[in-house]
Amino acid sequence: DGGITQSPKYLFRKEGQNVTLSCEQNLNHDAMYWYRQDPGQGLRLIYYSQIVNDFQKGDIAEGYSVSREKKESFPLTVTSAQKNPTAFYLCASNNGRSSNQPQHFGDGTRLSIL
Amino acid sequence: SQQGEEDPQALSIQEGENATMNCSYKTSINNLQWYRQNSGRGLVHLILIRSNEREKHSGRLRVTLDTSKKSSSLLITASRAADTASYFCATNRGDGQNFVFGPGTRLSVLP
Repeated sequence: DGGITQSPKYLFRKEGQNVTLSCEQNLNHDAMYWYRQDPGQGLRLIYYSQIVNDFQKGDIAEGYSVSREKKESFPLTVTSAQKNPTAFYLCASNNGRSSNQPQHFGDGTRLSIL
Repeated sequence: SQQGEEDPQALSIQEGENATMNCSYKTSINNLQWYRQNSGRGLVHLILIRSNEREKHSGRLRVTLDTSKKSSSLLITASRAADTASYFCATNRGDGQNFVFGPGTRLSVLP
């Protein structure tokens, strides 16, 4: 079955630690996205990538970094510079050839501070 | 800043009733999409309506779009307990692949 896999489902970060969230898709989609969702709120865009080896900052990129070395993979690193990392992180992808394409989402990673 | 704003923030209805959620946005759009999110899960795409369309149907879902008022509505008819979820609208301006999501409406369907 095609889809998006996020791992781990739950992640805990210690003070001063960087952690990496995995996102893999087998939908052959060009574009991939990372969103942050805080309780009772909508999604805010962290980073997005429309093609391999290229990515752009979203609305809340500070304290985060990404890479896009392969079409299938778009890992997100939450750095120690992100002072309030506790949130639900969602990865999405779509066919980037047209803006009339829905996004497909993974089931998220919940990040908490120890 | 948020482009879309859903209304109401929360809605509680009985099974079998209809549920209507509204979304307002601020700038011109290329399309508007509705998504559902079950608790602790990712979002699932429900329906996409383009800026030149006024109404779309999919099963028990009906979406309308009024670009003059910059608003959209999602109607779920004959609701079921399984429809309990948060519903989000997302707008796309067509100047890239960025989607802007509203804060969502939490729908509770009571058996």
